[in-house]
Amino acid sequence: DAEITQSPRHKITETGRQVTLACHQTWNHNNMFWYRQDLGHGLRLIHYSYGVHDTNKGEVSDGYSVSRSNTEDLPLTLESAASSQTSVYFCASSERVSGRKETQYFGPGTRLLVL
Amino acid sequence: GENVEQHPSTLSVQEGDSAVIKCTYSDSASNYFPWYKQELGKRPQLIIDIRSNVGEKKDQRIAVTLNKTAKHFSLHITETQPEDSAVYFCAATIRSNDYKLSFGAGTTVTVRA
Repeated sequence: DAEITQSPRHKITETGRQVTLACHQTWNHNNMFWYRQDLGHGLRLIHYSYGVHDTNKGEVSDGYSVSRSNTEDLPLTLESAASSQTSVYFCASSERVSGRKETQYFGPGTRLLVL
Repeated sequence: GENVEQHPSTLSVQEGDSAVIKCTYSDSASNYFPWYKQELGKRPQLIIDIRSNVGEKKDQRIAVTLNKTAKHFSLHITETQPEDSAVYFCAATIRSNDYKLSFGAGTTVTVRA
């Protein structure tokens, strides 16, 4: 079955280290998104991509980067991890159908702790 | 960008009663409004959505209503059951011609047996 996966599911790192979180989907969706979830803030958009080699900043993009070299993957990199980046990270994907919004499907999440 | 406000932040209901969650949005051009349910430790999952050309949509015990003039939409859960206990998020498209969503802060619903 088609699905969206994230790895690792849990990660502990130290401040200043570079961390990469993986997101892989097998639905062949054009659109992919990264969110962080913190208590009281819901889901906040970090970066998103509408296709290969397309990347865009979301509302909380400082300290994060993404790259899209194929349709299936959108890795999220924390260039120099900070304690403020301790959070649960969700990847999501959706189809791109011209003029129509489609459901975003979420991955299982990655719980990141920065010490 | 779009600002989505969600109320209440917590809601406790007796099993069998109804639950209502309300959201307001700021961009009159928003045209897609999904609702997600997130159980503890799980991923958000879509439970119902509505597009701006429809005023109401129902799916068994859940329904969503949209008032474009007032820029608000609501989730209604009838005959609540213990398995309805979860965090519920509303969302709205940030712009009419975009695929990004702006999410509300969430409502923690507890159904008391």
